[in-house]
Amino acid sequence: EAQVTQNPRYLITVTGKKLTVTCSQNMNHEYMSWYRQDPGLGLRQIYYSMNVEVTDKGDVPEGYKVSRKEKRNFPLILESPSPNQTSLYFCASKPGLASTDTQYFGPGTRLTVL
Amino acid sequence: AQTVTQSQPEMSVQEAETVTLSCTYDTSENNYYLFWYKQPPSRQMILVIRQEAYKQQNATENRFSVNFQKAAKSFSLKISDSQLGDTAMYFCAFMRGLYNFNKFYFGSGTKLNVKP
Repeated sequence: EAQVTQNPRYLITVTGKKLTVTCSQNMNHEYMSWYRQDPGLGLRQIYYSMNVEVTDKGDVPEGYKVSRKEKRNFPLILESPSPNQTSLYFCASKPGLASTDTQYFGPGTRLTVL
Repeated sequence: AQTVTQSQPEMSVQEAETVTLSCTYDTSENNYYLFWYKQPPSRQMILVIRQEAYKQQNATENRFSVNFQKAAKSFSLKISDSQLGDTAMYFCAFMRGLYNFNKFYFGSGTKLNVKP
């Protein structure tokens, strides 16, 4: 089944404890992206990647890191999480850079930073 | 910078009736793409409909259609014959059109409640 998977789905952590949220897609998509969703703000793009080893900042990259060493994986790294990073996170992918490509979203990761 | 505004935080509609969700955006670009996404309580993000800015014809997908007014920078979603399964959060989104700029901008969302 074609899908985008995220792990973990739920995570409660404490301020300053490094964490990684994994994202994997099995559709051989070139483009992958991370978003955070907050009430009243909608989704905001954190980082995106147009191919292996090619990443760029979205609207809210501060406090986050990403890497794209393999086509299928695009982990989101929080080196020193803070309470304002408590949010719902979505990973997404699409086949390429064409505007007609549909973006597929993962199921979301609910992160709470205490 | 691109901004997307959804001015209706919440709306209700009776089953089988028609409802229109509003979206406006701000951009200086001429080539771009607009989307409506649906997020049901399961939190999954589902593409509803897409519109290319260079196309004058409004996009339609079954019961979903858009009213795209490029000059007014308006992109509303009309849902006809509303069904209980349409109850969800709806997000309007904008994507820059140049090949090297696949950045997305989302509105704050409209929560739609379809009543039986």
